[in-house]
Amino acid sequence: QITLKESGPTLVKPTQTLTLTCTFSGFSLSTSGVGVGWIRQPPGKALEWLALIYWNDDKRYSPSLKSRLTITKDTSKNQVVLTMTNMDPVDTATYYCAHTIAVAGTEGWFDPWGQGTLVTVSS
Amino acid sequence: SYVLTQPPSVSVAPGKTARITCGGNNIGSKSVHWYQQKPGQAPVLVIYYDSDRPSGIPERFSGSNSGNTATLTISRVEAGDEADYYCQVWDSSSVVFGGGTKLTVL
Repeated sequence: QITLKESGPTLVKPTQTLTLTCTFSGFSLSTSGVGVGWIRQPPGKALEWLALIYWNDDKRYSPSLKSRLTITKDTSKNQVVLTMTNMDPVDTATYYCAHTIAVAGTEGWFDPWGQGTLVTVSS
Repeated sequence: SYVLTQPPSVSVAPGKTARITCGGNNIGSKSVHWYQQKPGQAPVLVIYYDSDRPSGIPERFSGSNSGNTATLTISRVEAGDEADYYCQVWDSSSVVFGGGTKLTVL
């Protein structure tokens, strides 16, 4: 059974850097094709993809947020870390991590998702 | 950037069929995935590769994709199907989500 859980601060101040950790079990990020993505959802709004990292350290970023995001993995700890710089109140959202797999070289879907963590940006 | 367009809301009576569309330029050439999100919960995959169902998802959920429109169809709608539904594709090495559709069961 695959599970993922997000952790990090619930409150950050504007201009600060947010660091979120996704701790997972039931799969290995050293297995070919496997990846972990980050998706966020502002209150009452739609899902927005942020970043994704694959088993081979291939990294993908949302074009609109690329300059502020960094995604890394620690395979030995079964963790993926997302950092987002220069936080703003509009970045207030629930942040999810999710398992993904690339099949036959084709990027796929997110399943399952973590429970999410609400991050509020406020002074 | 690639845009996926979903109707904000769809309403359907119990026992009827709900169809939720996801529009995009030549979306038929892409693989479309669908998620269900109930209030206060994380999204759950209900359809992948246009029309495949993950284990545990009822056969009432089906999908299709052609031309400029992908469709999620829910047959014999139940009260428990009331949720937000999102479509997702990949485009130019980026993930794109639709704006979401709120399904209301009357």
